Amino acid sequence: DTGVSQDPRHKITKRGQNVTFRCDPISEHNRLYWYRQTLGQGPEFLTYFQNEAQLEKSRLLSDRFSAERPKGSFSTLEIQRTEQGDSAMYLCASSSTGGAYEQYFGPGTRLTVT
Amino acid sequence: TQLLEQSPQFLSIQEGENLTVYCNSSSVFSSLQWYRQEPGEGPVLLVTVVTGGEVKKLKRLTFQFGDARKDSSLHITAAQPGDTGLYLCAGGRGAQKLVFGQGTRLTINP
Repeated sequence: DTGVSQDPRHKITKRGQNVTFRCDPISEHNRLYWYRQTLGQGPEFLTYFQNEAQLEKSRLLSDRFSAERPKGSFSTLEIQRTEQGDSAMYLCASSSTGGAYEQYFGPGTRLTVT
Repeated sequence: TQLLEQSPQFLSIQEGENLTVYCNSSSVFSSLQWYRQEPGEGPVLLVTVVTGGEVKKLKRLTFQFGDARKDSSLHITAAQPGDTGLYLCAGGRGAQKLVFGQGTRLTINP
């Protein structure tokens, strides 16, 4: 029974560089969510997919951010021209249809922009 | 904008004591989830409550959803050092995004 996995776990990059994160959801889950968490705060929603369709994007997701889920399985989150304010933990979660739509989170990717 | 307010934000108590954490909102949610998060890790789901007035127990942890589905509480009996962590409540509306509180950082001292 494999949970949600994320790669890499940590990423240090220089300001202005592009970074890409990957999320592999629980295999039978068709919904996938991205959140961002800064120090001392709860996670904040970024975007959400049902299968390969991106159904909702937060205003936090500026035009430097793009997320894809091309085959309805894994997802990638890319940040272009990173800024120091992008430093945060990026969390991925997945859920199945029906029930209470419980979301299960991965271990996160910690991004540090220097 | 945070729609869920958790209190207290920080709590430090001695082993064996009881405690309650509150999660309040002016909005109605179809479900309320409680998570626990360790430093450097993702949140781990503890429980989901969906019915107004619902009470769920998980060993020494008791979770309650308010009758109007706007608030929730987490009560821990006889706290242990292993209960130390960040506790997060999150409100959901169907399959949509979760709205999180800012968390309660709990420290149980031996």
